Amino acid sequence: SAVISQKPSRDICQRGTSLTIQCQVDSQVTMMFWYRQQPGQSLTLIATANQGSEATYESGFVIDKFPISRPNLTFSTLTVSNMSPEDSSIYLCSAIALKHSGKGEQYFGPGTRLTVT
Amino acid sequence: QQQVKQSPQSLIVQKGGISIINCAYENTAFDYFPWYQQFPGKGPALLIAIRPDVSEKKEGRFTISFNKSAKQFSLHIMDSQPGDSATYFCAASMEYGNKLVFGAGTILRVKS
Repeated sequence: SAVISQKPSRDICQRGTSLTIQCQVDSQVTMMFWYRQQPGQSLTLIATANQGSEATYESGFVIDKFPISRPNLTFSTLTVSNMSPEDSSIYLCSAIALKHSGKGEQYFGPGTRLTVT
Repeated sequence: QQQVKQSPQSLIVQKGGISIINCAYENTAFDYFPWYQQFPGKGPALLIAIRPDVSEKKEGRFTISFNKSAKQFSLHIMDSQPGDSATYFCAASMEYGNKLVFGAGTILRVKS
């Protein structure tokens, strides 16, 4: 398995500002993802964080709003830019644990609870 | 477009009873079906998962039943306990070890 930590765990931000969320995995992983979970809702994939290259975004999410970096196999950041109250949500990092096959189960971090005022 | 439909939205079960949550999918390219358990304020935790080459998988009190022809799969929690009270999500991916599509979630409450 993989143990995933996120920082910060929660934050309250002013509209128009940006917040960068960090995700650290304790072991080498293949793929890393960022999800959004609005209160009481399911998880929606924002993007796949690719090591050393631009992230792959899902429909409805764009790089200018959610820039993502992944400089190495165990670390990634998600920035929520020019925030509005609609961005208030839980942001979750996940990773696929590396196995001999190169594939594995997907594990999630504890989430970052963001409130935009 | 919701690719994985989950029901019921909420469920109340007596302690010791069986909790059953159902999911249906549309995309026949899906070939990996995990279930996650989420407690308030926590990230989802992988509970159990199945590939379509088997019809059932059991781990302790948790069982996944899979019906490939009907494109349905379900989670059964035997001898449900108050500690099982959580939100459960089914999910699917087109490849083991790839991005997931989640169902809407089921809030389970086990009454003692």
